[in-house]
Amino acid sequence: DVKVTQSSRYLVKRTGEKVFLECVQDMDHENMFWYRQDPGLGLRLIYFSYDVKMKEKGDIPEGYSVSREKKERFSLILESASTNQTSMYLCASSLGGTQETQYFGPGTRLLVL
Amino acid sequence: QKEVEQDPGPLSVPEGAIVSLNCTYSNSAFQYFMWYRQYSRKGPELLMYTYSSGNKEDGRFTAQVDKSSKYISLFIRDSQPSDSATYLCATGGGDSNYQLIWGAGTKLIIKP
Repeated sequence: DVKVTQSSRYLVKRTGEKVFLECVQDMDHENMFWYRQDPGLGLRLIYFSYDVKMKEKGDIPEGYSVSREKKERFSLILESASTNQTSMYLCASSLGGTQETQYFGPGTRLLVL
Repeated sequence: QKEVEQDPGPLSVPEGAIVSLNCTYSNSAFQYFMWYRQYSRKGPELLMYTYSSGNKEDGRFTAQVDKSSKYISLFIRDSQPSDSATYLCATGGGDSNYQLIWGAGTKLIIKP
């Protein structure tokens, strides 16, 4: 079974803090994704990575950066957290192209005060 | 206009009813069509996958794609309270590279 784990289930941070969200997958998948999920807006892609050290911006990259130093690990960084970044953050991984199943972690619910 | 439109619901039906969930999409180049199910406080999981047009059946679930009208459907027969979840449609292929384009998700509630 593919397993995608995320470092925290719940996080509370203050405005202006730097926030790190980590994601690890154990199935040697090439692709990894970071989404945020907000009510009524569905999943919005922040960044994805198709290989180590490679990254592509998604639909809403502003205020975020990512790091993929190892194949199994994909980190999302909020450089200076703001209240409008309060959301559910979901990490996913997949084997190859668009047709491949994306496997999701359980999500991190981030509250920025 | 969003590339994939999906009514967020909630949709509430009695146990045993047939449920119909739908999405429309705008890009005729899309070739892959998926339904993911997301239980509360969990990540989404793939439920059904269809390539191009046609129907696919798996137990009580049927996925249907009509590319001529750009319409995606998921039918659930004999619905159970355990089917209560948010159902997200997703599509991709063509020029979308690795990205899936997601609907907003429909929250489904099956009342015992």
